[in-house]
Amino acid sequence: GAVVSQHPSWVICKSGTSVKIECRSLDFQATTMFWYRQFPKQSLMLMATSNEGSKATYEQGVEKDKFLINHASLTLSTLTVTSAHPEDSSFYICSALGLAQETQYFGPGTRLLVL
Amino acid sequence: AQSVTQPDIHITVSEGASLELRCNYSYGATPYLFWYVQSPGQGLQLLLKYFSGDTLVQGIKGFEAEFKRSQSSFNLRKPSVHWSDAAEYFCAVGLNTGGFKTIFGAGTRLFVKA
Repeated sequence: GAVVSQHPSWVICKSGTSVKIECRSLDFQATTMFWYRQFPKQSLMLMATSNEGSKATYEQGVEKDKFLINHASLTLSTLTVTSAHPEDSSFYICSALGLAQETQYFGPGTRLLVL
Repeated sequence: AQSVTQPDIHITVSEGASLELRCNYSYGATPYLFWYVQSPGQGLQLLLKYFSGDTLVQGIKGFEAEFKRSQSSFNLRKPSVHWSDAAEYFCAVGLNTGGFKTIFGAGTRLFVKA
């Protein structure tokens, strides 16, 4: 149980385009999901907390107009990188908070490369 | 402020040898404590967690961790390491203060030599 999927697993796009990443909780409902960014050989950096039916809460320094988050249902949250630039290239990981609201379950990650 | 410290950036052990990865946290109360493992290019997999009760917790893949309140530590151990254990290990603290938040340590890279 507690499986989280992400799609796509990797994406290459041209600078200036927008990219959407999906995060789904497959066998449980998640009222809260998180989006992280991870640079090579570094720890996870929390970008935002996504709550179903409400606006996401962004961490300091994260541009909310750049990284659009939508949590439209209890099993799906999306992260859209708008007008992507090479510096947005990174590994993006989502997680979902389990039913007991105590443990996060992570997706496999999405590697984004902006050319 | 809350923080998680993993003092070892990387550790190398021989296959079959025992392993201990260190983790210290800074928080006013007893937090939720987690250990996650990440293989290259993958997401994080939960190894084990501590919320309350028995301070020695068992996890998957033969891992265990011991919570020591007096030392604010939650070290991860395994009696005999396998080559497949080579990965990045993250200690994390979960805080539930008007919304859940997890703070991750910087990670420890484990290398296993034959």
